[in-house]
Amino acid sequence: EVQLVESGGGLVQPGGSLRLSCASSGFTFSSYEMNWVRQAPGKGLEWISYISSSGDNIYYADSVKGRFTISRDSAKNSLYLQMNSLRPEDTAVYYCARGGVGATFDAFDIWGQGTMVTVSS
Amino acid sequence: QSVLTQPPSASGTPGQRVTISCSGGNSNIGSNYVYWYQQLPGTAPKLLIYRNTQRPSGVPDRFSGSKSGTSASLAISGLRSEDEADYYCATWDGSLSGWVFGGGTKLTVL
Repeated sequence: EVQLVESGGGLVQPGGSLRLSCASSGFTFSSYEMNWVRQAPGKGLEWISYISSSGDNIYYADSVKGRFTISRDSAKNSLYLQMNSLRPEDTAVYYCARGGVGATFDAFDIWGQGTMVTVSS
Repeated sequence: QSVLTQPPSASGTPGQRVTISCSGGNSNIGSNYVYWYQQLPGTAPKLLIYRNTQRPSGVPDRFSGSKSGTSASLAISGLRSEDEADYYCATWDGSLSGWVFGGGTKLTVL
């Protein structure tokens, strides 16, 4: 079964750091571009970061640029999001989502169940 | 304020046809594919339409997508109670170098 499972969410103080992980299974992880998308409580979806299959192409939303870092480890079939200098407005459910093959900027066809990040003192 | 504009709400009765619009600009919808996602309450989003008009396997043909210029639409025919969900359009924006989502449309089946 093709699956993505996020972990690493939790409660963190403003200014703190957190590292999210997304474990993949059931497909050739190294062939696919990956994304992180978040959803604040009661709000819509917000794309925050993209990484190509090779890891050579990386993009961030302006809201997280300079604070968040996306990475991937094909040996572990995993995607990561290092979040630093966290703010209350970063409070959201964070989803990892599979994109297309290579660097095609294609559909998010597989989504994880999400992990909740709460930034509060 | 989302780059892509969707109506915040839509509604219909069972069996009816409803459409949800998504308006953007030349750097996003005007030059890239549009995708639609369905999010049922309390669940992760699910891909509904890809590359403007294509349905993934398992998505009923009651759902259809279209695109013209800098706008796109999702149509749902034969509305059913289980279609009650939030719907989001999305596309790549070349000027922003990132994906953009619409603000979402909450569909209510009366």
